[in-house]
Amino acid sequence: QVQLVQSGAEVKKPGASVKVSCKASGYSFTSYYMYWVRQAPGQGLEWMGIISPSDAITNRPQKFQGRISMTRDTSTSTVYMELSSLTSEDTAVYFCARGLLYNNNWSPFDYWGQGTLVAVSS
Amino acid sequence: DIVLTQSPGTLSLSPGERATLSCRASQSVNSNSLAWYQQKPGQAPRLLIYDASSRATDIPDRFSGSGSGTDFTLTISRLEPEDFAVYYCQQYGTSPRTFGQGTKVEIK
Repeated sequence: QVQLVQSGAEVKKPGASVKVSCKASGYSFTSYYMYWVRQAPGQGLEWMGIISPSDAITNRPQKFQGRISMTRDTSTSTVYMELSSLTSEDTAVYFCARGLLYNNNWSPFDYWGQGTLVAVSS
Repeated sequence: DIVLTQSPGTLSLSPGERATLSCRASQSVNSNSLAWYQQKPGQAPRLLIYDASSRATDIPDRFSGSGSGTDFTLTISRLEPEDFAVYYCQQYGTSPRTFGQGTKVEIK
């Protein structure tokens, strides 16, 4: 069965960086795009970016340009999201999610990781 | 960016009643690439509907989606106790992908 397992909660100081991992299993890792979404406490969902596990090409909204890095390791079927220059506004639960459609980057998200809480506090 | 506006913000209903949730886009959604998700406290979202009206795997048929262009609707024909949650719409046809702010369906 498809599973996405994320790394554990993090506490970071303002200005620091955080790297969250998402290990995939149960399907062909390189055949489905992966996405990152975050949710601040009590708030809605915010799309952060997309990565192609097959060729590592990424895309992100303008809001995160220069501050987010998404990578993948095909040997371990893991994608990573690193966010730098953290502020208190980055306190949120971060989710990875898989695209529903085979090899299609215009896709809804069918499987989600369990979420990783990142708290930014001095 | 395409802004998705969901209404109402909160829907107070009883089990067995019909729920109608709206999602309006600021511009036409490409290829009706509109999804609906359900989220319960402490859980990840769950995909219910994609391409505006296609049910995702294992989603009960009491959930249905409709609409096109800029106006979309999620209907839950008869609310079950497990359906009380927050529902989000999302467009995935244009970058950046965007979500609505959510509609909470609560027990009356």
